[in-house]
Amino acid sequence: EVQLVESGGGLVQPGGSLRLSCGVSGFTFSDHYIAWVRQAPGKGLDWVGLTRNKANGYTTEYAASVKGRFTISRDDSKNSVYLQMNSLETEDTAVYYCARSITAYPFDYWGQGTLVTVSS
Amino acid sequence: DIVMTQSPDSLAVSLGERATINCKSSQSLLYSSSNKNYLAWYQQKAGQPPKLFISWASTRETGVPDRFSGSGSGTDFTLTISSLQAEDVAVYYCQQYYSNTRTFGQGTKVEIK
Repeated sequence: EVQLVESGGGLVQPGGSLRLSCGVSGFTFSDHYIAWVRQAPGKGLDWVGLTRNKANGYTTEYAASVKGRFTISRDDSKNSVYLQMNSLETEDTAVYYCARSITAYPFDYWGQGTLVTVSS
Repeated sequence: DIVMTQSPDSLAVSLGERATINCKSSQSLLYSSSNKNYLAWYQQKAGQPPKLFISWASTRETGVPDRFSGSGSGTDFTLTISSLQAEDVAVYYCQQYYSNTRTFGQGTKVEIK
């Protein structure tokens, strides 16, 4: 069974940092892209970024709103992807989902999400 | 970045009636070499993560009822629910996967009239 499980959310002050994790199981991790998508309370889906699969060199892409502040990394030995978030702003408050994809395909499996609250 | 614009933002439809959601992209999502449109539709119910419903603009995922259909090409796309059921109440999002930055539409909330 394909599973993605996010963890690491919580309350952080503006300007602070947080690292989210996405643990996966049930599929060949190195074959897949993993993306982060966030959803502010009562708002729509906002694509954050992704890491490509091994065949595509594990390269990353980011939304303009987070580029330079957020970094996505992955550890194939732990079947995990990480989202390092620095210089957090109140506008970053959201549920953060990780989701699976392959080359040129949408996100076919999603985790349940983890809530990040940026507030003083 | 490719901008995705959905209309309307919300709609209320009677049970058994047709619901139509539009999605417009700021540039063509048709990849010429494959003749495929890189456009997906997701359904999100309250308190749940999104669920992939349609890929390639018109291909239903396994288990998606056939009352859901996707159409369109290039920059203009439509999701149609032919006969709205109570369990279809949700927010629907279009998303492009043509570019490296995979943007979503703002969502359309579907309710029962």
